[in-house]
Amino acid sequence: AQTVTQSQPEMSVQEAETVTLSCTYDTSESDYYLFWYKQPPSRQMILVIRQEAYKQQNATENRFSVNFQKAAKSFSLKISDSQLGDAAMYFCAYRSASNTGNQFYFGTGTSLTVIP
Amino acid sequence: DAGVIQSPRHEVTEMGQEVTLRCKPISGHDYLFWYRQTMMRGLELLIYFNNNVPIDDSGMPEDRFSAKMPNASFSTLKIQPSEPRDSAVYFCASSSSMGRGETQYFGPGTRLLVL
Repeated sequence: AQTVTQSQPEMSVQEAETVTLSCTYDTSESDYYLFWYKQPPSRQMILVIRQEAYKQQNATENRFSVNFQKAAKSFSLKISDSQLGDAAMYFCAYRSASNTGNQFYFGTGTSLTVIP
Repeated sequence: DAGVIQSPRHEVTEMGQEVTLRCKPISGHDYLFWYRQTMMRGLELLIYFNNNVPIDDSGMPEDRFSAKMPNASFSTLKIQPSEPRDSAVYFCASSSSMGRGETQYFGPGTRLLVL
């Protein structure tokens, strides 16, 4: 089975600064999808951004962008101009692109604190 | 779209009681997932369905847990009898097999506390 590793249990960032959350994964597949989810204190899981492995261009959603390094199996999330509302748990997830690959594999999460 | 709906949002029960958690997936989604989240174990996949059929229930902790999906718009996760170690947040999520890279959409979760 695929594994997803988030090596930073906790991170902090000053408001308006930039922070990068790390994620690595292990797979033998060549086609797959990667996701970052945000879980604020409300516990709702919210999709932040997703990346398709066959696309070389890094995905961007407003202040959120990824650095996808396929050869290194790395998928980091960069949050620019951090805001207090960004404080949350962030989960990295992997999903196969195969027809039977609808199962997601999640990392253990990184708790992000935003310091005013 | 209303998104994934879960009920109840909070449940407090006593050890030994039966607990039933409910989920309504997003209309048109053919995959449904049940997860459990605890501080100790993180987010765990319990079981998932495709077209109402259970595909993988290897994450179900033990026989006290059971899940059903009688139709495309409703699923239940039942714990009988419940134990304090079952206390967790239980999420339901749904997704579609159509298209590429379709994500999972999560419900708000049910916070279960077993005393």
